[in-house]
Amino acid sequence: KAGVTQTPRYLIKTRGQQVTLSCSPISGHRSVSWYQQTPGQGLQFLFEYFSETQRNKGNFPGRFSGRQFSNSRSEMNVSTLELGDSALYLCASSLSFGSPYEQYFGPGTRLTVT
Amino acid sequence: KQEVTQIPAALSVPEGENLVLNCSFTDSAIYNLQWFRQDPGKGLTSLLLIQSSQREQTSGRLNASLDKSSGRSTLYIAASQPGDSATYLCAVYSSASKIIFGSGTRLSIRP
Repeated sequence: KAGVTQTPRYLIKTRGQQVTLSCSPISGHRSVSWYQQTPGQGLQFLFEYFSETQRNKGNFPGRFSGRQFSNSRSEMNVSTLELGDSALYLCASSLSFGSPYEQYFGPGTRLTVT
Repeated sequence: KQEVTQIPAALSVPEGENLVLNCSFTDSAIYNLQWFRQDPGKGLTSLLLIQSSQREQTSGRLNASLDKSSGRSTLYIAASQPGDSATYLCAVYSSASKIIFGSGTRLSIRP
C-alpha cells in the first residue's frame, strides 16, 4: 500500500507570493491533517479535513487555508508569504476523524521563502 | 491549555544500552498519545499509539507506557542500536480535538 505522498518536495518562493502544497493520503484514509515544523516552534497543527470539511483548526492566521477533495486528496495554500513561513510542511492521513485513529505522515514539503 | 514537554532535549548513549525517553503533559483529559521518530529532513514515522484507556503498548524492542493521572508517558528502547538514532516526538490528542507535539528528544546511539 502506497504511503502518504506530498508534492512538491522542495519549493522556493519570494515574499508576497502565494503557494499551494498537495497531499495524497493513503488509499482508504479519509482524514488529512496539516502541520508546520520549524526549528523555533517545533511541530504545530494547522488544520484537519474530513469528508471535504475542515474539522479542526490551529492557531494560524487566515493566510493559511486548505481544502479537501472528494477523493480525500488535500491542498493547503499560503498567501502573501512571509520569511517566517519558511518551514517543513507535513501532512498526515488517518482512517477517520479524531481519536483513536493513528496518523501516518508524508515526507513533507520544504518551503523556503526569500 | 495543553502543553507537552520532552526531557531531555538530547541524549547520547553507547550501543546496547536500554534507555527511557520521557514525555509529560499538563491536561490529563487526553484521547490518546502517539510516539513518532523523525530522521533528519524526513517526515514522521509512527512507533506506538496508546489509547487513553490503555496503560502500555509494545512493538519489538519498544515499549510505551501511559499514566494519565500523573500526565506522563515513557518510551523504553531495549538494546539500543545505531539505527535507533533519530529525534523522538510524542504527540497528545487532547479533549480540545487538537494534536499537540512535544519538542522532541534527539537520540544518538554511539557504536
